[in-house]
Amino acid sequence: SQTIHQWPATLVQPVGSPLSLECTVEGTSNPNLYWYRQAAGRGLQLLFYSVGIGQISSEVPQNLSASRPQDRQFILSSKKLLLSDSGFYLCAWNTGTGVRHEQFFGPGTRLTVL
Amino acid sequence: AQSVTQLGSHVSVSEGALVLLRCNYSSSVPPYLFWYVQYPNQGLQLLLKYTTGATLVKGINGFEAEFKKSETSFHLTKPSAHMSDAAEYFCAVSHSGTYKYIFGTGTRLKVLA
Repeated sequence: SQTIHQWPATLVQPVGSPLSLECTVEGTSNPNLYWYRQAAGRGLQLLFYSVGIGQISSEVPQNLSASRPQDRQFILSSKKLLLSDSGFYLCAWNTGTGVRHEQFFGPGTRLTVL
Repeated sequence: AQSVTQLGSHVSVSEGALVLLRCNYSSSVPPYLFWYVQYPNQGLQLLLKYTTGATLVKGINGFEAEFKKSETSFHLTKPSAHMSDAAEYFCAVSHSGTYKYIFGTGTRLKVLA
């Protein structure tokens, strides 16, 4: 069966510090991978998605970046965190055959920037 | 462009009462529609989805939703609320030809004893 992991589960970082959040998927190959940010009252904001190794699509211009160094690994990064980067970050995957299939979400990372 | 509107950021119902969570979408092409549930500090879990075929879709935990093209709606219902249904619910839309899903802002359901 497929599983998705995210770490860390919680993170408290000072403004201006770097960020690296990792997401890995097991039990499937060539998944589509997604990063979302969830802020209170704003639903899920799609940040990045990837349909293959090294292929990253950015949805929102900001100080975050994403990389996919391996088929089942998706990393969210920042060089300098802002207060507004606080939120709940969710990684998700779905089968590469398309969006008629649901997404499977990881447990999330709660990021607090102070 | 696609969009999703969830009316009511907070809904309260009594235990045993009908649950109705509203979702309206905007799409110029046939949509794929999803309802997800999120418990505190967890990821989202799929409740049900509509892609094609029967417009009344049954999901897990006794929930169901009906796709009404004429009303551009996909409301979520459950005949009898249970305390364990208290959570946040998200409606999402997508369509063929894209890899993206658009989510609504969510509805937090509170179940009163």
